[in-house]
Amino acid sequence: AQSVTQLGSHVSVSEGALVLLRCNYSSSVPPYLFWYVQYPNQGLQLLLKYTTGATLVKGINGFEAEFKKSETSFHLTKPSAHMSDAAEYFCAVSDRYFGNEKLTFGTGTRLTIIP
Amino acid sequence: SAVISQKPSRDICQRGTSLTIQCQVDSQVTMMFWYRQQPGQSLTLIATANQGSEATYESGFVIDKFPISRPNLTFSTLTVSNMSPEDSSIYLCSVGYKNTEAFFGQGTRLTVV
Repeated sequence: AQSVTQLGSHVSVSEGALVLLRCNYSSSVPPYLFWYVQYPNQGLQLLLKYTTGATLVKGINGFEAEFKKSETSFHLTKPSAHMSDAAEYFCAVSDRYFGNEKLTFGTGTRLTIIP
Repeated sequence: SAVISQKPSRDICQRGTSLTIQCQVDSQVTMMFWYRQQPGQSLTLIATANQGSEATYESGFVIDKFPISRPNLTFSTLTVSNMSPEDSSIYLCSVGYKNTEAFFGQGTRLTVV
């Protein structure tokens, strides 16, 4: 069975400051890892994903994440926060059979940007 | 990419009634999934909608409560039966391809009173 733990249900950062959202996973097989963003009253949008290859992945809106197998982590970062980054962020895991399809989600982190 | 249309976008229902949510995709997809997002919580997979066979339900979800249809490769419905206030959630349809990302509908926001 797979699981995802997101540390911090709420994170607040000042505009222009570093954004760091933490995600740890548990998987008995090599994982596929994802970060999704959900803006108020909207569906989920993929920020980035790791499947194979380079462990540092870059996504949309200046976000990136690094897959660290030894730490079972996939933390999301952005060097400089923007007001438009305020949203709910979900880390998710899948396995190589289901690929990008059947996902197990973390509990989410609500990001607030302080002007 | 895939464009997913979910209907209705929101509804307020009386307890004891049922609501059917529709998910229409603009292209044929092999796998479709239904998720539930309870207030303030994450997404939980309800079931995989299989074309031509019965849906595969996750632990804690049963067909009598959440019957699912998948008549073809572009369409699926989820019914929330005999609703109670605890069923108030956002229900999301998702489709995916193994080598590309999963796509989500905008969701159906259900309130049971």
